Amino acid sequence: GQSLEQPSEVTAVEGAIVQINCTYQTSGFYGLSWYQQHDGGAPTFLSYNGLDGLEETGRFSSFLSRSDSYGYLLLQELQMKDSASYFCAASSGNTGKLIFGQGTTLQVKP
Amino acid sequence: EAGVAQSPRYKIIEKRQSVAFWCNPISGHATLYWYQQILGQGPKLLIQFQNNGVVDDSQLPKDRFSAERLKGVDSTLKIQPAKLEDSAVYLCASSLVGGSSVGYTFGSGTRLTVV
Repeated sequence: GQSLEQPSEVTAVEGAIVQINCTYQTSGFYGLSWYQQHDGGAPTFLSYNGLDGLEETGRFSSFLSRSDSYGYLLLQELQMKDSASYFCAASSGNTGKLIFGQGTTLQVKP
Repeated sequence: EAGVAQSPRYKIIEKRQSVAFWCNPISGHATLYWYQQILGQGPKLLIQFQNNGVVDDSQLPKDRFSAERLKGVDSTLKIQPAKLEDSAVYLCASSLVGGSSVGYTFGSGTRLTVV
């Protein structure tokens, strides 16, 4: 089957750095995306890795290793507003279809 | 630019009733997706449209769910009859071109409660 595994919860303090890992098993893998979702809100796109390596966007970075079927999202200089759920999502095939992980709830404490 | 619009925001119905959700994608976005997100889980694709044609509906429970996208713009998702397990947030998303999962834009969703 097709699946993505990520930790269910992560807790960190303001100003710290946190890494959310994601391992995947999908057919027709094209790339890995990351989405942020606040309670009651819409998932919002954060980052995409189509190739191996690191992508940096401000305080957020994302990494992909196709050989290890593994990726991660790195959040730096954590702020209280970063408390949310984070989803990794694999592109399956060339249609744009996304397969989502179960999500990681990040709690940022003062 | 305006985002993806969905309505209603919330809906409570009894089991075996029918319900419909509406989505208006970002102007010019050819590809439209409907996802189901059960509480505590990630979104799951129900159906994908490219303009007004269906690209993927492999996970749509076709005995009770239907969707259409007339004229390649707005879309409607219907459930008839609803079951308790259909309680979820129904998310609509759009993208400029099919085949690219970069920069999906999601709407805020319709939260359905079936009692």
